[in-house]
Amino acid sequence: QLQLQESGPGLVKPSETLSLTCTVSGGSNSRSTNYWGWIRQPPRKGLEWIGSISYSGITYYNPSLKGRVTISVDKSKKQFSLKLSSVTAADTAVYYCTQHGGRFDYWGQGTLVTVSS
Amino acid sequence: EIVMTQSPATLSVSPGERATLSCRASQSISGNLAWYQQKPGQAPRLLIYGASTRATGIPARFSGSGSGTDFTLTISSLQSEDFAVYYCQQYDNWPPFTFGQGTKLEIK
Repeated sequence: QLQLQESGPGLVKPSETLSLTCTVSGGSNSRSTNYWGWIRQPPRKGLEWIGSISYSGITYYNPSLKGRVTISVDKSKKQFSLKLSSVTAADTAVYYCTQHGGRFDYWGQGTLVTVSS
Repeated sequence: EIVMTQSPATLSVSPGERATLSCRASQSISGNLAWYQQKPGQAPRLLIYGASTRATGIPARFSGSGSGTDFTLTISSLQSEDFAVYYCQQYDNWPPFTFGQGTKLEIK
């Protein structure tokens, strides 16, 4: 069974860059789940797709994040990463990594990132 | 961007009864819709994709229907473990993928 695990700092200062890594283990890549992506959920709110990267390395980002997002992958380490720059308190959320096709089949457990000085 | 609207925001149903949750897309998404269940402190879990296909391991009491702009998730006989928040998500036209705001299913 495919497993995903987020890691990274739980506290980031305003204006700095949030950096998270997702490590993938188990299972195997299939044609139906050939993207790795990030989704976030502010406290007591709904789900927001941040962006994804395809198996071939093409990136797709949510326009709402206005160019602050970078997603990259290191296939040799079975890891992919999220960088979100110029963070504010509005970026405080649980961040989930996912492996997906159109639907989001596989999710990490999520990691809470708080933006605060 | 396709806007997904779920109703109601909160649904109160007694165990053993049927629950019907709605999701509407701002434009046609064909059948490219998924439903997720989220319990407190947990990641969302895929229930339904393709509007009506149950994901692996999902009980038959969960069913999805609809196409175009209007979709429904039905839970035929509510069990205690079904009380949670449910989200719909479109994957017809992306980026961005978009989710509804969620329906909280609570015990009546």
